[in-house]
Amino acid sequence: EAGVTQFPSHSVIEKGQTVTLRCDPISGHDNLYWYRRVMGKEIKFLLHFVKESKQDESGMPNNRFLAERTGGTYSTLKVQPAELEDSGVYFCASSQDRVKAFFGQGTRLTVV
Amino acid sequence: EDQVTQSPEALRLQEGESSSLNCSYTVSGLRGLFWYRQDPGKGPEFLFTLYSAGEEKEKERLKATLTKKESFLHITAPKPEDSATYLCAVQAGEYGNKLVFGAGTILRVKS
Repeated sequence: EAGVTQFPSHSVIEKGQTVTLRCDPISGHDNLYWYRRVMGKEIKFLLHFVKESKQDESGMPNNRFLAERTGGTYSTLKVQPAELEDSGVYFCASSQDRVKAFFGQGTRLTVV
Repeated sequence: EDQVTQSPEALRLQEGESSSLNCSYTVSGLRGLFWYRQDPGKGPEFLFTLYSAGEEKEKERLKATLTKKESFLHITAPKPEDSATYLCAVQAGEYGNKLVFGAGTILRVKS
C-alpha cells in the first residue's frame, strides 16, 4: 500500500515569492491534515479536510496560507507571499478514522 | 489549553540498557494519547494509541503505559536501530480531529 506522498521534498524560495506544496494521501482516506514544524518548536496542526471540505482550519497562521483539496483526493498548500518565519517542515497526514494518522515524509521549506 | 511536555529532551543509552521516556499532558478530557517514532528526514511513524488510565500496549522492545496525568514509553534492552526521536501527542480539538504534539525525546543507542 502506497503511503502519504509529499512533494517537493525541499524548496528554497526568496521572501515574497509563492510556493505550493502538494500532498497525495493514502487512497481511500477521507481525512487529510496539514501540520508544520518550525525551527525548535513542536509539530503544530494547521488544518483538517474531510473529503474536499475544510473541517477545521484553526491552526492556519494567517491569510497568506491557502489550502485546497481537489475532489477529495490530493491537497495543496500555497504560501503567498512567503515570509522568513514560514521556514520549517510541512507535514501532511491522512487517516480513515480520525485516530490513526499516517504521515508523509514532509516538505522542508526554506525562505531566504 | 491542551499541552504536552516530554522529558528528557535527549537520552543516550548503551545497547541493552533499559530506560523510560516520559510524556506529561494537560487536556480537558483525554480522548487518546499517541506515540510516534520519527527518523531523520522522515515523517512521524505511528506506534501506539492509549485511551484510558491503566492501559498498556507493547511492540517489540517498546511498551507504552498511561496514567491520568502522564504516559511512559519503556524501552527494554534497546538496540542501535531504536535510535530516533520519539513523539507524544494527545487528540484534541472540538472534533477530536487534531493532534497536539510534545517536542519529542531524541534517543541515541550506542553499541
